[in-house]
Amino acid sequence: QSVLTQAPSASGTPGQWVTISCSGSGSNFGFYAISWYQQLPGTAPKLLIYNDNQRPSGVPDRFSASKSGTSASLAISGLQSEDEADYYCATWDDSLPGWVFGGGTKLTVL
Amino acid sequence: QMQLQESGPGLVKASETLSLTCTVLGASIRYSEYYWGWIRQAPGKGLEWLGDIYYAGITQDNASLKSRVTVSVDTSKNQIHLKMTSVTVADTAVYYCTRRPVQKCTGSGCTTYLDQWGQGTLVTVSS
Repeated sequence: QSVLTQAPSASGTPGQWVTISCSGSGSNFGFYAISWYQQLPGTAPKLLIYNDNQRPSGVPDRFSASKSGTSASLAISGLQSEDEADYYCATWDDSLPGWVFGGGTKLTVL
Repeated sequence: QMQLQESGPGLVKASETLSLTCTVLGASIRYSEYYWGWIRQAPGKGLEWLGDIYYAGITQDNASLKSRVTVSVDTSKNQIHLKMTSVTVADTAVYYCTRRPVQKCTGSGCTTYLDQWGQGTLVTVSS
């Protein structure tokens, strides 16, 4: 069972706006920034969002994220077929200590 | 452009020790702003952090693995090593080498993230 909670699946049609949520607890969300990772089929995860809502260079601005309290969300606007992937949230958890991840959300583009 | 390249046996017998190497290309491990580490992903499952290390030898590892994991660094070869003892079939996974910036903290919180990943190497544990 993952420390951070994500819905196992999400879906949308091309052009749509979809959100993926992630929830945690005070020991992780309380003081540490959330990052998000995109894992395309058969590939390694890739950093998508860091510092709760910052995009690394090269990540399209269709991807955005936010955090409030013990919840975070990733939003994808103008959904494209190449966005079909698994998405993971992650952060540092002081109570362990160590990195913790959400179980991942499989995004299907219909 | 830096790369992380994992290598090691793809098949290990149960009860033996798994040993993997990550070679860092295009950057120096001695650069003091980063931790280097390992994350794994069992087939069809999510991500699990194993541990990481600072070039000076400071390590952190996943306590749930009950001290089976050792992460070490060889700065002369620009490599990071992973050793996992007493493996079982449950340790079958793709093992990724990772890099993360040293945590930066302000009054409003701390931040770090996994900004570089290797392509991963599949290790199968046979019974």
